[in-house]
Amino acid sequence: QSALTQPASVSGSPGQSITISCTGTSSDVGGYNYVSWYQQHPGKAPKLMIYEVSNRPSGVSNRFSGSKSGNTASLTISGLQAEDEADYYCSSYTSSSTDVVFGGGTKLTVL
Amino acid sequence: EVQLVESGGGLVQPGGSLRLSCAASGFTFSSYWMSWVRQAPGKGLEWVANIKQDGSEKYYVDSVKGRFTISRDNAKNSLYLQMNSLRAEDTAVYYCARDWASPSSFDYWGQGTLVTVSS
Repeated sequence: QSALTQPASVSGSPGQSITISCTGTSSDVGGYNYVSWYQQHPGKAPKLMIYEVSNRPSGVSNRFSGSKSGNTASLTISGLQAEDEADYYCSSYTSSSTDVVFGGGTKLTVL
Repeated sequence: EVQLVESGGGLVQPGGSLRLSCAASGFTFSSYWMSWVRQAPGKGLEWVANIKQDGSEKYYVDSVKGRFTISRDNAKNSLYLQMNSLRAEDTAVYYCARDWASPSSFDYWGQGTLVTVSS
């Protein structure tokens, strides 16, 4: 069982918006603004899409945005495109004995 | 161009050992925390360990404490993961990743190296 909880799957049609949630505790997501999001296509290494809750690295489309409320972080993808179909993972710093925790991952299907 | 290239994976029997290496190039290796992240076949990502720029601080996920050791050689721009007492549940693709901006953000990843623990 992963430390952070994500829905197993989400789907949307091209052009629509979707949101993926990532729920933790006050020891991780809720306690620090150190939430990141990653996109992973099959057979590829993960790609950083969002860091520190809502910041986008250079080169990442502004269709990707992040937010946080309490112990739950969210990734929103607007204007869905076929190339967005991938697995998405959240991660957070944690004050527990482990330094970093990931969510279980969410498979995004673009219909 | 930043590059991270892992090597050293393979098939090992339960209880055996393996040493993974990650060769870094295209950036000042000694200026960054570095991490190992693994992914079991068909499963999600799991952070394994990280190490401070000078090697003075190291952190591990509970499941590998006492069995795995992360280290680095800044003169060789290389990161290592010594894995002992390997178990079937350690079977995974192991990624080397550069820590960036803040804890839990990894901006560059290697292509991964597969470790299979099986008799």
